[in-house]
Amino acid sequence: GDSVTQMEGPVTLSEEAFLTINCTYTATGYPSLFWYVQYPGEGLQLLLKATKADDKGSNKGFEATYRKETTSFHLEKGSVQVSDSAVYFCALIGGGYQKVTFGIGTKLQVIP
Amino acid sequence: NAGVTQTPKFQVLKTGQSMTLQCAQDMNHNSMYWYRQDPGMGLRLIYYSASEGTTDKGEVPNGYNVSRLNKREFSLRLESAAPSQTSVYFCASFSAGAGELFFGEGSRLTVL
Repeated sequence: GDSVTQMEGPVTLSEEAFLTINCTYTATGYPSLFWYVQYPGEGLQLLLKATKADDKGSNKGFEATYRKETTSFHLEKGSVQVSDSAVYFCALIGGGYQKVTFGIGTKLQVIP
Repeated sequence: NAGVTQTPKFQVLKTGQSMTLQCAQDMNHNSMYWYRQDPGMGLRLIYYSASEGTTDKGEVPNGYNVSRLNKREFSLRLESAAPSQTSVYFCASFSAGAGELFFGEGSRLTVL
C-alpha cells in the first residue's frame, strides 16, 4: 500500500537557519503530494502541494519539488523564523477513492 | 466561513462509557474522514466516507463506529471507551476540485 516516510524530529534550528525536512513516499500510479502544518493547539492546514512530477509547490517561503525519480518531496525554507515552530506532515493522495496517507510528522523548533 | 466544525473540543470519559464526536462541513464535499493523532504515530485513519450513505474502515477502526447522517455530517462513536482511545481526533473533508483535505480543529479525548 501507499506509505510516507519522514523523520520525527524534533528538529531544532536557530532563527534564520536553512531548513530541510526530508520526505519519501511509496505509491502506485501518480499521487499528488502535500505538506501540511500543525501549529500548537490547532488542526492541520495545507502548506503547499504538487500534483505531478517536477512541479514545485511554494507558500510562505517554503518550497518542495515533486521528484518522481527519487520518490521524494523534501520541504525547504531558506531562513526560518520562530513563528515557523510547528509540526510538519508530508502526505500523499493516491488511488481512486481519495485516501490520504500521512507521514508521522516532524516537529520543528526554532529558537531566537 | 465555518469549514469543518467538530464538537466537543475536550472530553474526559471513564472506561466503559460511550460518547459520540460530531463533525459537520459546510463546503459541500462528498468525502469525509476521521483520524486520530498520537505521539510518534502521526495521523492514522479510523474510518472514511467517500459519499453520503457509504462508510469504510481505515487503518485503526476497532472500537469505533461511524454514521454519515447526510452530506454535511459524519459522526464517530465510541461504544465502550478504553484508555487506549485517549487521543486527539480530527475530522476532515476532501475537496475534489482543490484536491486537498480540510481539517477541523480537533477533539481531545481522555479516557481514565
